[in-house]
Amino acid sequence: RKEVEQDPGPFNVPEGATVAFNCTYSNSASQSFFWYRQDCRKEPKLLMSVYSSGNEDGRFTAQLNRASQYISLLIRDSKLSDSATYLCVVNQGGATNKLIFGTGTLLAVQP
Amino acid sequence: DGGITQSPKYLFRKEGQNVTLSCEQNLNHDAMYWYRQDPGQGLRLIYYSQIVNDFQKGDIAEGYSVSREKKESFPLTVTSAQKNPTAFYLCASTRRQGKAEAFFGQGTRLTVV
Repeated sequence: RKEVEQDPGPFNVPEGATVAFNCTYSNSASQSFFWYRQDCRKEPKLLMSVYSSGNEDGRFTAQLNRASQYISLLIRDSKLSDSATYLCVVNQGGATNKLIFGTGTLLAVQP
Repeated sequence: DGGITQSPKYLFRKEGQNVTLSCEQNLNHDAMYWYRQDPGQGLRLIYYSQIVNDFQKGDIAEGYSVSREKKESFPLTVTSAQKNPTAFYLCASTRRQGKAEAFFGQGTRLTVV
């Protein structure tokens, strides 16, 4: 089983749609969780951290379910500019501080 | 401005040659990481380091080597033993404690010719 798993997509959605991505992780001791966005041929950039209580930033909402070991990202009112690959990232923390990326989910927002 | 710098942006190498990719950060981060990304794929961890003079193998360390002689620098050498070195290489750094989100350099595209 991979340490971090995501549905690779692609997700093709019309502008204005709501889209949700899920990600599961295998190490129950993992400490920090993030969503990153990567545009084509660019480096990943932090979209948002994911907190146990859930957190929202404008049209983006992130949730963490430690019991089921998954995190989610919800994008409301999709814009063309949201088209990118969304990467789930888990920091296993502890002595290793190992940072593991999911394979990414490709989102294409259509006009 | 604080940040993480990778150089060069594009690199061409002949088969059988070793090549070293540079990664420097002035964020005062303790932890540094090297990832490889192939077209349409996710990031795979090559090596990572939590402190100076210490580093650990990631998931695909074979054919690569690193050093961490200074906190600011974490160079990656792609050796001739790496069978498929053509890829996009990304360096990242984080604080060891706290939220520990990663900051990335702009990447190096290595092509073996």
